[in-house]
Amino acid sequence: DTGVSQDPRHKITKRGQNVTFRCDPISEHNRLYWYRQTLGQGPEFLTYFQNEAQLEKSRLLSDRFSAERPKGSFSTLEIQRTEQGDSAMYLCASSLAPGTSRDTQYFGPGTRLTVL
Amino acid sequence: AQSVTQLGSHVSVSEGALVLLRCNYSSSVPPYLFWYVQYPNQGLQLLLKYTTGATLVKGINGFEAEFKKSETSFHLTKPSAHMSDAAEYFCAVSLFSGNTGKLIFGQGTTLQVKP
Repeated sequence: DTGVSQDPRHKITKRGQNVTFRCDPISEHNRLYWYRQTLGQGPEFLTYFQNEAQLEKSRLLSDRFSAERPKGSFSTLEIQRTEQGDSAMYLCASSLAPGTSRDTQYFGPGTRLTVL
Repeated sequence: AQSVTQLGSHVSVSEGALVLLRCNYSSSVPPYLFWYVQYPNQGLQLLLKYTTGATLVKGINGFEAEFKKSETSFHLTKPSAHMSDAAEYFCAVSLFSGNTGKLIFGQGTTLQVKP
């Protein structure tokens, strides 16, 4: 079990540029979640997938954000026209579907985005 | 709507002393409750969780928490703090019954352990 991995671990970009992050979940997990964590705060839910279907998006996820999970495996989170307010840690988590005995969310190490 | 309040953004204890981190929740239905720990520049690691059944939950690294419905609390304790316990701790609530499973986190408590 290699755990949840995220790439890159750090990203520095200039305002207005587009960025894309990748998350590889634990292989048998069909649920994948994205959270955003700003400095000194707890993580906030952004969106989640069950297999390849994106089932819920937070109001935090503006039109500049898009997430995909093709074939129900890895997921990508893209931010277009980045703003300084997008600077945060972006966390990915995966789990089995709720209601099972192993539905704990396991988190990746995160991608820290800095927008200059 | 669900919410979590962690009382005290910073807690400082001496090594070997009792650790008590407070968490109160608000939920219209029976919640699932979690404590996660985060070390600097890392993701979150699950310490323990309460779903149903026994209200005293034991987790990793000697931590435990007690679900008290009447007080809407889920405080985290450890009898004797170790230097390696210094980290950020997050309490979270979720609904799992036919729901998204998304976690709602508190703002976190930074635990400092002094030698």
